[in-house]
Amino acid sequence: AQSVTQLGSHVSVSEGALVLLRCNYSSSVPPYLFWYVQYPNQGLQLLLKYTSAATLVKGINGFEAEFKKSETSFHLTKPSAHMSDAAEYFCAVSEGSGNTGKLIFGQGTTLQVKP
Amino acid sequence: DVKVTQSSRYLVKRTGEKVFLECVQDMDHENMFWYRQDPGLGLRLIYFSYDVKMKEKGDIPEGYSVSREKKERFSLILESASTNQTSMYLCASRSWGSYNEQFFGPGTRLTVL
Repeated sequence: AQSVTQLGSHVSVSEGALVLLRCNYSSSVPPYLFWYVQYPNQGLQLLLKYTSAATLVKGINGFEAEFKKSETSFHLTKPSAHMSDAAEYFCAVSEGSGNTGKLIFGQGTTLQVKP
Repeated sequence: DVKVTQSSRYLVKRTGEKVFLECVQDMDHENMFWYRQDPGLGLRLIYFSYDVKMKEKGDIPEGYSVSREKKERFSLILESASTNQTSMYLCASRSWGSYNEQFFGPGTRLTVL
C-alpha cells in the first residue's frame, strides 16, 4: 500500500526566507503526487500536482516541488516566504485508479512565518 | 470552478444525538469522500462513494454511516454522537480519470458535548 511521510510537523521560517517542506512517499507503481494547503478553518486547496510529466512542478502562490524518484521524495519549496503562507500543508499520493482511486495523505506540516 | 459545499461550518450537538452532515458538489463528479481531521493525525478517510447508492468503508468507519441518493449529494450520519467524534469533517469529490485529484469543501467543525 502507498504511504506518505512528512518530516517535521512544524516548520518556522522568517519572512523572506526559503521555505522547504519535506515529503517522502512509498509506492509500488509510478505515483501521482499532490501538495494541498489548508488555511485556518478552511478546507484543503490544491497547490500543485505531479502526474508524470515534468519532474519540477510549479504551483500557485510561488510554490514548486520536485519529484525525485531515486529519493522517493516530493519536497515543496518557495524561495521567499510571505506572512500569508502561514498554513498547514499536506502531501498526498494517489492510490488505485478508476472508480475506487483515492489519496493517501501525510500527517501535515504547519508552517509558521515570523516577521 | 468546482464547488463543494457543506451544510454547516460549525455544529454543536449533544451526546446521543443523531447528526447529519451534508455535502453537495456541482461538477457532476462520480466520487465523493468524507474525512475527519484531528491534530497530529492528518486526514483519515471515513467513507467514500464511487456512484449513486454505492459506498465503501474507509479507514475509520466505526460509528458512522453514509447515504448517497443523488450524484451531487453525499451525507455523513452519526447515528449516536459521542464526544470522541468531536472533530473537523471534510468532504471532497473527484472525477474518474483525474489522477485522483480531489476537491474539498470548507469543512464542518463538529463539537459533541
